[in-house]
This record gives sequence, C-alpha cells and structure tokens, in this order.
Amino acid sequence: QKEVEQNSGPLSVPEGAIASLNCTYSDRGSQSFFWYRQYSGKSPELIMFIYSNGDKEDGRFTAQLNKASQYVSLLIRDSQPSDSATYLCAVNIELRKSGGGADGLTFGKGTHLIIQP
Amino acid sequence: DVKVTQSSRYLVKRTGEKVFLECVQDMDHENMFWYRQDPGLGLRLIYFSYDVKMKEKGDIPEGYSVSREKKERFSLILESASTNQTSMYLCASSLARGYEQYFGPGTRLTVT
Repeated sequence: QKEVEQNSGPLSVPEGAIASLNCTYSDRGSQSFFWYRQYSGKSPELIMFIYSNGDKEDGRFTAQLNKASQYVSLLIRDSQPSDSATYLCAVNIELRKSGGGADGLTFGKGTHLIIQP
Repeated sequence: DVKVTQSSRYLVKRTGEKVFLECVQDMDHENMFWYRQDPGLGLRLIYFSYDVKMKEKGDIPEGYSVSREKKERFSLILESASTNQTSMYLCASSLARGYEQYFGPGTRLTVT
C-alpha cells in the first residue's frame, strides 16, 4: 500500500510566524507532489505543486521536495489567521498500467494548522 | 479557471434508496474521480474514469457504481443506500496523467 504520512496536529503557530508542514511518502516512483488547503466543511483547494527537487516559491508559500529522503514540506511565511485550515499532502500514484495508464493521487490525512492572533 | 460542479451540496436519503450524485467539469479534462471523506480516514478513492465510458474501481468501490457517458460528466450511483454511506462525497478532475486534481464543492450525504 502506497502511503503518505502527515502529523495530524493541531499545529499552533503565532500570527506572523512561519508555519512548517511536513509529509513523507513511501513510493519512490512518485513524480508529482501537491499541497491542498481544506477549510472545515469545504472541499480541498490546490495551493502548490512541485515536481523537482529543491524549493518552489509562490507568494507566502514555499514547497520543498527531497526525493532521496522521500520528504515534502510546505512553509507558510507571515502566517495569517485565514491560513488556519487542514493541509493535505498528495502524491501521484499509478492507478492503471495498461491502455495508456492513468494516474491518481494518494492523500495524507492532513495536518490541522491553527494560526493564533 | 477550472470549474467542477456537483449536483447537490446537501442530500438526505432513506436506507435502500437509489442515489445519484452528479459531477460536471468544464475544462475538457480526461480523468475524473470520486472520493469519500470521513473524519479520521481521510480521502478514499471510490472510482475513477480515464476516458469516456471507461471506469475503474478505486480502493472502496463496494456498494457504488459509476457512469461516464460524456467527457464532462461523471456520475456516482449508490445502488441501495445504507447508513454507513453517510459521508462527504467529493468529485475531482485532472487534465491528464501526473497533473493536479481540482475538486468540486462536495455533497454531504446523510442516509437515515
């Protein structure tokens, strides 16, 4: 079973600080990595994706990927109360090999982040 | 912007009823997915489709079926609803292999 592991939290961070969210995955063949934000009662919303080792920055968000360690992280700078949500890490998996194949995503169970004003 | 819509936000059905959940995407995506999400269990894949009329089972297909007659539309069918199918149902689509998935707003289904 291909797995994605996240600390469930809650992770409590003061407003204005850096929030650091971590994720490990088991499938060494995974090539695509995604972070989703999910507010309570809402559906997941894509905030970042990363395919290559290293850092990728988008506004206050930075995704970090280390394929050798099978580790993905998300940094949120200048955290705001509106960042309080559950963050889901997702990793691509091969769902079907024949007929051109098909990919899906395996999701971690999410980290609950609380930004304290 | 990608838009994925689902037919209902909230639905209440009785045990034994046949339930249809519909999902429509407007971006010509190849792949579509149905998940259910339950507290403590995360997102679990029920069925997916990689082309029109093509469908395959995910991790928890029992008690469900799907239909994809047109590229933009993917329906989830609960043949005979049971109380253990009370859940949040999420539809998603992706352009092709390896691409990100976009989710619809979800349907919170309660079976009584």
